[in-house]
Amino acid sequence: QVQLVESGGGVVQPGGSLRLSCAASGFTVTNSAMQWVRQAPGKGLESVAYTEYEGSFMHYGESVEGRFTVSRDSSKNTLYLQMNGLRGDDTAVYYCAKGYTLDSWGQGTLVTVSS
Amino acid sequence: DVVMTQSPLSLPVTLGQPASISCRSSQSLVHSNGNTYVNWFHQRPGQSPRRLIYKVSNRDSGVPDRFSGSGSGTDFTLKVSRVEAEDVGVYYCMQTTHWPFTFGPGTKVDVK
Repeated sequence: QVQLVESGGGVVQPGGSLRLSCAASGFTVTNSAMQWVRQAPGKGLESVAYTEYEGSFMHYGESVEGRFTVSRDSSKNTLYLQMNGLRGDDTAVYYCAKGYTLDSWGQGTLVTVSS
Repeated sequence: DVVMTQSPLSLPVTLGQPASISCRSSQSLVHSNGNTYVNWFHQRPGQSPRRLIYKVSNRDSGVPDRFSGSGSGTDFTLKVSRVEAEDVGVYYCMQTTHWPFTFGPGTKVDVK
């Protein structure tokens, strides 16, 4: 069955960088649309990045455009989110989700941006 | 950006009774391909969201048939025919018709 496992979260200082990973099983990430969704503590859900199944189109939310980059590694069947220039308002649990309509979600990884 | 609004934001329910959540969008959610990409998710405390309904009214595998989705254009509804204890949590509607994809603010359902 489909499984998504995020990792890479942690505490980082403002202006720092992190790379989140989303290891997939039960399907091929390069053949599927994928999304990154975040949830700030006690808040709602925000879609921050979306990549279409063919991988040639990446879409980013306005709040992360120019700072975050999505990529995939077919050999590891893993989706990544490279986050640069982190700010306090990037503090959130980050989920990866499969498909255009988010049929499966990982357990999330917490990113805390703080000095 | 498409703004999704939900009402109510808080919904105390009586077990065994029906419940309904409304979701409205600031513009039509009909995609150029003719589909309407409105999805509903349920999130229990400390857990990841789980999709219940996709494309307005399609129930996911394993989702009890007491859950149903309906609507069109800009006006959508999630209904629970008889609320059970496991249904507590926050429900979100989400549109994936127009980028950026957007979620409603969530409706917190708890037992009276």
